[in-house]
This record gives sequence, C-alpha cells and structure tokens, in this order.
Amino acid sequence: EAQVTQNPRYLITVTGKKLTVTCSQNMNHEYMSWYRQDPGLGLRQIYYSMNVEVTDKGDVPEGYKVSRKEKRNFPLILESPSPNQTSLYFCASSFDRGGPQNTGELFFGEGSRLTVL
Amino acid sequence: AQTVTQSQPEMSVQEAETVTLSCTYDTSESDYYLFWYKQPPSRQMILVIRQEAYKQQNATENRFSVNFQKAAKSFSLKISDSQLGDAAMYFCAHTTYGGATNKLIFGTGTLLAVQP
Repeated sequence: EAQVTQNPRYLITVTGKKLTVTCSQNMNHEYMSWYRQDPGLGLRQIYYSMNVEVTDKGDVPEGYKVSRKEKRNFPLILESPSPNQTSLYFCASSFDRGGPQNTGELFFGEGSRLTVL
Repeated sequence: AQTVTQSQPEMSVQEAETVTLSCTYDTSESDYYLFWYKQPPSRQMILVIRQEAYKQQNATENRFSVNFQKAAKSFSLKISDSQLGDAAMYFCAHTTYGGATNKLIFGTGTLLAVQP
C-alpha cells in the first residue's frame, strides 16, 4: 500500500529535550516536506527537500532541522523543543514538479501530535 | 505573495442537503493547481478534489464539485446530498504549476458539521 508513515503519532515531552519525528514514504517520491498545523493558521511549511541531500527552509523553519540521507526518509528534528512548538505535524511527499507523474498533489502522513511542556 | 482565504470558520448542514464552502486565493501566476483537502477527526489529510487552472471545466468527484472562477480567483466546494461522514475540517490549497517546489499554500480551514 502506498503511504507516508510518521512516528510517533503522539508525543509529550519537556522543554529542551531533543526529539526526532521520523517520516518514510514508499512511493519513490523525490519531493518531501514538513508542515505544522495550528488552530486558525491552517498548515504552514517548515522545511522541504527536492531530493537526497537537498533541503531548504519553508515558511516557519525556526527551531527545526531536517536531513535527507535517503530518498524515502525525511526526519524532522527538534534540537531544543519549546512550548510554542506544540502542534500537529504532517510529513508529505510527491513526485518531482517537472516529472510526468506530478499532479501537484501532496500525499500526507497521518500526523504527529506533539506537546511540549 | 500567494495567499488562500477561507472566510467561513464553521458551517453546518442538514443531512441530505447541499452546502457550499468558500475559498478565494491570490496569485500572480497563470498556471496553477487548486485543491480541497478533507481532515476528519482522525486527522488524516484526504484529497477531495483537484482543479487545474488552465481547464475551464469545473472538476467533479461524485457528490463533490467545485465552482472555479479564475478571473475572480474563487474556488468554492459544493457538497451535495451531505452525509454524516462528510463532517470534517476542509482546507482549500493552492500551488503554482511552474514553481520550483510542490509547496501548497493552505487556507485556515472550514469546520463542517452535518446534522442528522
């Protein structure tokens, strides 16, 4: 089954304790990205990756890091989480914009609910 | 800057009735995609319908259809014969066809309640 898998789905942590949210896709997508969803703000892009070893900032990158060492994986790293990073996080992937299979659609993971105390 | 505006934070509809969710967007591009995503209580983001800006014909998917007005930059979603399972948050989103990335710009969402 084609899917984007995120872990953990739920996490409660404390300020300053490093954490990683993993993301893996099995659709051979070149493009992967992270969004956060907050009430009244919709979804906002944190980081994205066009392909292996190619990453760039989105609209709200402060406090986050990413890496893309393999095509299928795109982990989101919070080096020192703070309460304002309490949010619902989504990983998403798609085919490359210039490729014949691209439809503009993003395929989303099931979301990770993070609470930072 | 590209923006997407959903002016209805909440909507309600009776089961079997029709409801229309509004969305306007702003872009200087001529080629782009527009989407409606559904987010039920499970939080999963589910694509409902997709429209390519160069196509004049409005997209339809079973009970879901859009009214795409390119000149007015309007992209409303009509749900016919509403069902209890349609209750969800609905997000309108936009992406540029020729852009460097597949970044989606989302609206703030409309929470739809379906009354039995």
